[in-house]
Amino acid sequence: GQNIDQPTEMTATEGAIVQINCTYQTSGFNGLFWYQQHAGEAPTFLSYNVLDGLEEKGRFSSFLSRSKGYSYLLLKELQMKDSASYLCAVSGTYKYIFGTGTRLKVLA
Amino acid sequence: GAGVSQSPSNKVTEKGKDVELRCDPISGHTALYWYRQSLGQGLEFLIYFQGNSAPDKSGLPSDRFSAERTGGSVSTLTIQRTQQEDSAVYLCASSATVLAGPGELFFGEGSRLTVL
Repeated sequence: GQNIDQPTEMTATEGAIVQINCTYQTSGFNGLFWYQQHAGEAPTFLSYNVLDGLEEKGRFSSFLSRSKGYSYLLLKELQMKDSASYLCAVSGTYKYIFGTGTRLKVLA
Repeated sequence: GAGVSQSPSNKVTEKGKDVELRCDPISGHTALYWYRQSLGQGLEFLIYFQGNSAPDKSGLPSDRFSAERTGGSVSTLTIQRTQQEDSAVYLCASSATVLAGPGELFFGEGSRLTVL
């Protein structure tokens, strides 16, 4: 079967660092994506990993370990606007399977 | 257009009625996806188009759901005899191509369907 697991909710303080984990078991793998979705809005692309290791993009970084079926999204210097859902998605040959998302609340 | 466009943005209908949801992808994007998102849930895959053909319809919940794509562009998702459990946000996404590997998905704002 195909399964993607993420924590349901996380809370962090403005200015802090937060790590959102994602574990997956899928029948095919062509890459792992992270999307951000603010309430009532469409998901927007954050990052893509296909090889093991860390990809850094400004305040956001994403890590992948294919052998462990594990990824994380690291958000640094948290801002209030980072309050959103973060969706982990695995791409097979063409199909993108999404996790249920992690709702992040950033507190002042 | 500049982005993925979906219409209507909101649809309220009575149980048993048919609805049509439209998606206009980014020009030149050959891959088109429909997802469904219920309140507080993740994205549930419905159907994928490559050009006008739909190699994977496995996510359609029942035979009341159908979708087509014409001219390699606009897609319509039709739900017949709507039920209350069909209430959700229907998201459309497009991608440049999947033939050379996965690409970033660009999402529309979604169509929020409420079945009374």
